[in-house]
Formats: sequence, structure tokens, C-alpha cells
Amino acid sequence: SQKIEQNSEALNIQEGKTATLTCNYTNYSPAYLQWYRQDPGRGPVFLLLIRENEKEKRKERLKVTFDTTLKQSLFHITASQPADSATYLCALASGNTPLVFGKGTRLSVIA
Amino acid sequence: GAGVSQTPSNKVTEKGKYVELRCDPISGHTALYWYRQSLGQGPEFLIYFQGTGAADDSGLPNDRFFAVRPEGSVSTLKIQRTERGDSAVYLCASSLGWAGGNTEAFFGQGTRLTVV
Repeated sequence: SQKIEQNSEALNIQEGKTATLTCNYTNYSPAYLQWYRQDPGRGPVFLLLIRENEKEKRKERLKVTFDTTLKQSLFHITASQPADSATYLCALASGNTPLVFGKGTRLSVIA
Repeated sequence: GAGVSQTPSNKVTEKGKYVELRCDPISGHTALYWYRQSLGQGPEFLIYFQGTGAADDSGLPNDRFFAVRPEGSVSTLKIQRTERGDSAVYLCASSLGWAGGNTEAFFGQGTRLTVV
């Protein structure tokens, strides 16, 4: 069955460092991969979308990579700030199926 | 409105009762989705509407769950004979196009359903 794994439930890093979150998937061939941010008591908020034929996408301090051979996406936040503390969700789509989400990684940036 | 609106924010109901959860999508968004999120889990797909029709309802867990979108805008998720296992946050999202592809989904703040 299809499976999406986000490397850890929780990740703690020091302010100013780069946070790297991992999303691995099996039994799936996504055409698109999206990353969302979710704060407690709120719905997910879209951050970035990357297509299967794109290796990397950047937006301000965010960078996403997509390796269809390794079946993995890496999500980086550079110069992390306490305000970046949230849960980050990876979501996959094949183009004809709805977004399928991972469990998320809870990031805490410590000042 | 500016974003996706869900009402109520919180709903507590007794086991066996019927509940309705409402979603007002962003104006002009033809696609609407319902997801369910349990504590510590990611959103789990329930049903997707394109316009008025349910294009994919494969995520509905059983026939106690039903959703409608009669005029292609507001949607209502209906749960009959609620069970304690139905307790979760129910999220609604909308998008301009099909969010399984090249389009982002905009989520509401969710309705927290508690079945006691």
C-alpha cells in the first residue's frame, strides 16, 4: 500500500541553523509534491509545490528538493527563527488522486 | 470571505446523534475537499467535489458519512449515528483547480468534533 513517512515526529534546532525535514514515500509515483505548514488549532497552509521533473524549488528561506529515484523530498529552512516553529506536512499527488498527507514533523526552533 | 470558513469551530455531541459540519469555500473555487485529522496524524482524505458533484468519495469510512454541495459553493458533511471514534478535527479545503496536481489547497481552521 502507499506509504508516506516523514523522518521524525519532532525536530529541535537552534535559532539561526538550517532545519532539514525529510519526506520518503513507497508504492507511489507522485507527479507533484507539496509542503504545508500547520500551527496548533489551525488548518494547513501551503508553502511550496514541486513537480516530478523539477529537482529543486526555492522561496525566500525555504528550499525543497524532489528525488524520484530515491523517492524522497527534503525541505530546508535556512536561518531558522522561533517563528518557524510549527508542524510541517508533506503531501503527494499523482495528478488523478487527491492529496495524500504524511503525519508531519513538529519543528521547534530554540532561541 | 477572504478564506475558507468552517462552522462550528467546536462541536460536542452524544454518541448516536446526528451532526452537520459546514464549509464555505473561497469564492470562485470549484474544487472542495473534506479531510479528517486525528491527534498526531496528517489530514486523511474523505471526499472531493468538483462543482456540485462528488468526484471522489473513496475516503468516506462508511455509509454513516455523507457530504453534499448542492449549489457548487457551500458544502455540508453529515455524520449519522456518531461514534466515539468519529472524534477528530474535520478540515475543509478549496482550490481553483484540482489540488491533486498543479494547484495549492486552501484550508479552513477545521471543526473539532468530540463524541461523548
